[in-house]
Amino acid sequence: EAGVAQSPRYKIIEKRQSVAFWCNPISGHATLYWYQQILGQGPKLLIQFQNNGVVDDSQLPKDRFSAERLKGVDSTLKIQPAKLEDSAVYLCASSFRNGGTAGANVLTFGAGSRLTVL
Amino acid sequence: GESVGLHLPTLSVQEGDNSIINCAYSNSASDYFIWYKQESGKGPQFIIDIRSNMDKRQGQRVTVLLNKTVKHLSLQIAATQPGDSAVYFCAEGAGNNRKLIWGLGTSLAVNP
Repeated sequence: EAGVAQSPRYKIIEKRQSVAFWCNPISGHATLYWYQQILGQGPKLLIQFQNNGVVDDSQLPKDRFSAERLKGVDSTLKIQPAKLEDSAVYLCASSFRNGGTAGANVLTFGAGSRLTVL
Repeated sequence: GESVGLHLPTLSVQEGDNSIINCAYSNSASDYFIWYKQESGKGPQFIIDIRSNMDKRQGQRVTVLLNKTVKHLSLQIAATQPGDSAVYFCAEGAGNNRKLIWGLGTSLAVNP
């Protein structure tokens, strides 16, 4: 099966500019996640969608970050305006299991989009 | 300017040796645990998971041990190979939305 697709792989912008990242999850995966991973740290969940609804966005800086998953498939994460501390890898992941179902919720990750803010 | 970064714990092993990567978890209510491997420039990749009602699970060249008494998880890699060089993360899952809580990660370096 095809994996999680993300684009662009790399993006360099200046602070206060905007940027958008795109993710196409594995076909049939109901749940989609956006994570931020700063160098040397574990992934930090920004937002979790189940189909096209938001399950958890408690750690999303909503004054500058937004995300949508309009048709329950592809998703876009936007940052506007960017700050220096937003430099990180933005990982998209998807999983088959919905919330509440038994068993481990195994996420499949894309390769990530590396953002550098100058 | 000078950059300051978080220094990951690092484990250095010789090719062919066994590796043991440890993880302390925080939530006694977590009902499953997952190990992920992250190679440079890639996203985390699932290795193996274990339910909280188990204390051991084996995969191909990997074994995960769970000690709920001391909230400790370990990943054992047999006959470590250069391709095993990566950062390894443990994650614990709990709650109705199956939210994962990620550990800090351990960098494994395999010397030829």
